[in-house]
Amino acid sequence: QEQLQASGPGLVKPSETLSLTCTVSGGSISSHYWSWIRQPPGKGLEWIGYIYYSGSTNYNPSLKSRVTISLDRSKNQFSLKLSSVTAADTAVYYCARKGTWFDTWGQGTLVIVSS
Amino acid sequence: EIVLTQSPATLSLSPGDRATLSCRASQSLSTYLAWYQQKPGQAPRLLIYDASNRATGIPARFSGSGSGTDFTLTISSLEPEDFAVYYCQQRSDWFSFGGGTKVEIK
Repeated sequence: QEQLQASGPGLVKPSETLSLTCTVSGGSISSHYWSWIRQPPGKGLEWIGYIYYSGSTNYNPSLKSRVTISLDRSKNQFSLKLSSVTAADTAVYYCARKGTWFDTWGQGTLVIVSS
Repeated sequence: EIVLTQSPATLSLSPGDRATLSCRASQSLSTYLAWYQQKPGQAPRLLIYDASNRATGIPARFSGSGSGTDFTLTISSLEPEDFAVYYCQQRSDWFSFGGGTKVEIK
């Protein structure tokens, strides 16, 4: 069974770009869809986007102008970049495998947007 | 955008009780609905997919039903480890989640 581990800076300044990486172990990234989902503190879940192993992507329309998800097959990793962040982007960011549903999740990493 | 409304927001029950959670969609989903369980400090875990199918390793006390716009997650007899927040999620039109129902100990 695959395991996912998200990593990246825990603090980002307003207007800067949030960058996170998810490392997939116990399986190959060269199958399935790979997704990012976030959860503001004390709130619900929001899908950010996903990337297919082929490299094709789809993003939440509400975030599309600021989001880029990419893949590094050599490292078995996929990454999230979210530009022009504000305090509203403060959240726990989860990476997840999407088969038909989000069936495998990483533990999440808290990113705080603050100066 | 499909909006999922979960009710109640909080359910206060005792171990052994039956829990009934509701998820209503703003438009028809057919059976493109899943349920997740989230415990404090943990990632969500897939419980039910396609409205009524249990995910791998999920106990039989968890069941899902419904189609179209109205869905229900039932926990037949609450175990201590079942007290958590439950989210529904649709994949009919992109992906969105409901606001969650917290099942707390009475």
